[in-house]
Amino acid sequence: AQSVTQLGSHVSVSEGALVLLRCNYSSSVPPYLFWYVQYPNQGLQLLLKYTTGATLVKGINGFEAEFKKSETSFHLTKPSAHMSDAAEYFCAVSAGGTSYGKLTFGQGTILTVHP
Amino acid sequence: DTGVSQNPRHKITKRGQNVTFRCDPISEHNRLYWYRQTLGQGPEFLTYFQNEAQLEKSRLLSDRFSAERPKGSFSTLEIQRTEQGDSAMYLCASSLLAGGPPETQYFGPGTRLLVL
Repeated sequence: AQSVTQLGSHVSVSEGALVLLRCNYSSSVPPYLFWYVQYPNQGLQLLLKYTTGATLVKGINGFEAEFKKSETSFHLTKPSAHMSDAAEYFCAVSAGGTSYGKLTFGQGTILTVHP
Repeated sequence: DTGVSQNPRHKITKRGQNVTFRCDPISEHNRLYWYRQTLGQGPEFLTYFQNEAQLEKSRLLSDRFSAERPKGSFSTLEIQRTEQGDSAMYLCASSLLAGGPPETQYFGPGTRLLVL
């Protein structure tokens, strides 16, 4: 079974500051990891994903995440926040085996960006 | 590519009524997923199809829920005898499984259900 924990349901940063959204996962098999963003009244949009290989993954809008197996973490970062980054962010894990398509999501982190 | 579409976007119903939601996936996508999202929570998996075959159902999917994907194209999710606890956002996602995993799931805008 898989699970995801996102530390901090709300994160507030100033425009131009570093964004750090934390995600820890649990999986009995090597995981595939995802970050999605959800804007109000919209569906989820993929930011980036980790499958295999390079542990530092770059995504859209300047976001990146690093897979750390020893820490079972997949934290999302962006060097400089922009007002348009304000949204809710979800970390998700997909395991291998017959259920590998199914995503297990964290509870989400709402990012607020102050001018 | 017009993306995943869902209809209706909003549905208000009275307890005990039946409701049906529709999802149109991205054309040529062979996998289709249903998730449920309640306020303040992440989406929870309900069920998924590969082509027309329903391959897995969550324990969240009680016998009042039924999903179909005839001919492997659009899908419907029906809830019978709705309860107030069914109030949620119902999300549909589709993906193309070609070769090995993992495929990227593309989400629709969701159908927001309110049961009075």
